[in-house]
Amino acid sequence: EAGVAQSPRYKIIEKRQSVAFWCNPISGHATLYWYQQILGQGPKLLIQFQNNGVVDDSQLPKDRFSAERLKGVDSTLKIQPAKLEDSAVYLCASSSSGTDYGYTFGSGTRLTVV
Amino acid sequence: AQSVTQLDSHVSVSEGTPVLLRCNYSSSYSPSLFWYVQHPNKGLQLLLKYTSAATLVKGINGFEAEFKKSETSFHLTKPSAHMSDAAEYFCVGGYSSASKIIFGSGTRLSIRP
Repeated sequence: EAGVAQSPRYKIIEKRQSVAFWCNPISGHATLYWYQQILGQGPKLLIQFQNNGVVDDSQLPKDRFSAERLKGVDSTLKIQPAKLEDSAVYLCASSSSGTDYGYTFGSGTRLTVV
Repeated sequence: AQSVTQLDSHVSVSEGTPVLLRCNYSSSYSPSLFWYVQHPNKGLQLLLKYTSAATLVKGINGFEAEFKKSETSFHLTKPSAHMSDAAEYFCVGGYSSASKIIFGSGTRLSIRP
């Protein structure tokens, strides 16, 4: 079974620039999550999709962050404009429906804003 | 309310001694529970998961965890620590009714030679 794919692996941008991250979940996984992990902290949920609908985006800074999951498969997360405090690892995870939740995480995208 | 609490932010043990990383969950019903490990500059790797089958769960690299409903705990243990076990460990709860996963704050495990 292929894992959750994320790209790019690393990204360095200047503040006020924009950036986009891409995630391809495991085939058939209905639920997709984007997490932000700041150095030294645990992951924080940014947004959760069920198929192509948003389930929870309460912690997404909507003035600068946006995400979409067209056709309920791939997802993109965008930051525009970026701030220094956005430097973090952005993790994508997916899971199947049912009681036996198998959450699989991608390797993440490490963003550095300078 | 759903929550996952890791009781220690940092645990330090000597190589060859037992490891205990503590996790408690809070919920009106039993969630699915997971332990993940994250080595420096690496992604999250699943160690083991509990999904209402056997209460004692064996994972990779000699780790195991026991689900205790009466104590709402899911502590991670290993009989003998190895230097390669030094990493950050996350206890994670999965709540199917909300299709939500909740992370604990993490425990950093250090291994002394």
